[in-house]
Amino acid sequence: DIVMTQSPDSLVVSLGERATINCKSSQSVLYSPNNKNNLAWYQQKPGQPPKLLIYWASTRASGVPDRFSGSGSGTDFTLTISSLQAEDVAVYYCQQYYRTPLTFGGGTKVEIK
Amino acid sequence: EVQVVESGGGLVQPGGSLRLSCSASEFTFSNFGMHWVRQAPGKGLEYVSGLSSSGGNTYYADSVKGRFTISRDNSKNTLYLQMSSLTAEDTAVYYCVKGGNPDIVGALPHWGQGTLVTVSS
Repeated sequence: DIVMTQSPDSLVVSLGERATINCKSSQSVLYSPNNKNNLAWYQQKPGQPPKLLIYWASTRASGVPDRFSGSGSGTDFTLTISSLQAEDVAVYYCQQYYRTPLTFGGGTKVEIK
Repeated sequence: EVQVVESGGGLVQPGGSLRLSCSASEFTFSNFGMHWVRQAPGKGLEYVSGLSSSGGNTYYADSVKGRFTISRDNSKNTLYLQMSSLTAEDTAVYYCVKGGNPDIVGALPHWGQGTLVTVSS
């Protein structure tokens, strides 16, 4: 199985400041035939199901604000919230879909300072 | 708007069985892979099972293999998860998830609200 490791476990950031979450996969999730990274990011607010934010490592899902961005390739990925808003308080998960089993990182909890 | 709605959760005794259902609407159900993902109380996300659009390709996590069976009825736009030999470790919110393509490998764009399964005596 591909193991996804997120860091940090939690993050406290001031409103308007940048939040950066890291995700590392135990093997490359770059799919050579299309040169795309099979990596997604999800946001889960308290009491709600996860919501897809980013797929192909850097493509924002429909309706996702542009303050959310994804980057990285191969085994190392980053989710950045450029200017943290109060509504961004949530747990964020990365997920690889390079092969089954689909696997998730352990989550990063983002809070407001 | 895509909708997936789970039902069938509840309290079950250890060793018991339960069948979850997921009713889908506002998309062509037979064109998409479907999945079950669970989340134990206060924990992260665990992928449980996936089924391709045609039903020809399935996946089960090792933790449920041999005990859970995923199936779908494309004529009823419904996904199922038959769970047996349940243990306390199966206690979780179970999410039905619509995939983004016909296969079982892909990002997971649409999630239901989840149904809680509690295994306890």
